[in-house]
Amino acid sequence: KAGVTQTPRYLIKTRGQQVTLSCSPISGHRSVSWYQQTPGQGLQFLFEYFSETQRNKGNFPGRFSGRQFSNSRSEMNVSTLELGDSALYLCASSLVRGDSTDTQYFGPGTRLTVL
Amino acid sequence: EDKVVQSPLSLVVHEGDTVTLNCSYEVTNFRSLLWYKQEKKAPTFLFMLTSSGIEKKSGRLSSILDKKELFSILNITATQTGDSAVYLCAVEEWGNAGNMLTFGGGTRLMVKP
Repeated sequence: KAGVTQTPRYLIKTRGQQVTLSCSPISGHRSVSWYQQTPGQGLQFLFEYFSETQRNKGNFPGRFSGRQFSNSRSEMNVSTLELGDSALYLCASSLVRGDSTDTQYFGPGTRLTVL
Repeated sequence: EDKVVQSPLSLVVHEGDTVTLNCSYEVTNFRSLLWYKQEKKAPTFLFMLTSSGIEKKSGRLSSILDKKELFSILNITATQTGDSAVYLCAVEEWGNAGNMLTFGGGTRLMVKP
């Protein structure tokens, strides 16, 4: 079974621009979560999507948004980029059985550099 | 505020040594504790712990949870250079309709030949 895939793997943008990152979950996984990883703050939860709806949201400004499509693929968007948005953005998918959500499996990440 | 704290921050050992990594947590509605290994990129799943006192084992790695004292340990015996990585502990809480993990800062393990 193919793992979680993320595109692009690397991205360089300048301040003020916007960026869209994509995540394809493991086949059959309907929950997709996004995380930001920086050396200073570690791994921080951004949001989680299930059935095209955002179920949970972390403590990030409104410039960070996401969506999920009917095939469970997800995108996250960051508008008006700031230098501090430079990070590794990780996507994780998990199986949902009834009311229970299973272990999260991570993709390789997208390394975003903001200049 | 909920938090997850890992110790030590970093560790350098020699091949063959045994290491113990610690994770303590303070969350409102604990559901599970997970351990991940992160080398270059994606964290890879190691263990999920939900019950106190039940050891999970996979090869040279094992982990146990103490829900009374709010901590977990990850043990690695007979370490190898391939064990060099950052080990992440994360806690999942009930109450959220779905999956939200709070991660600790990680323990960086370096195993020297």
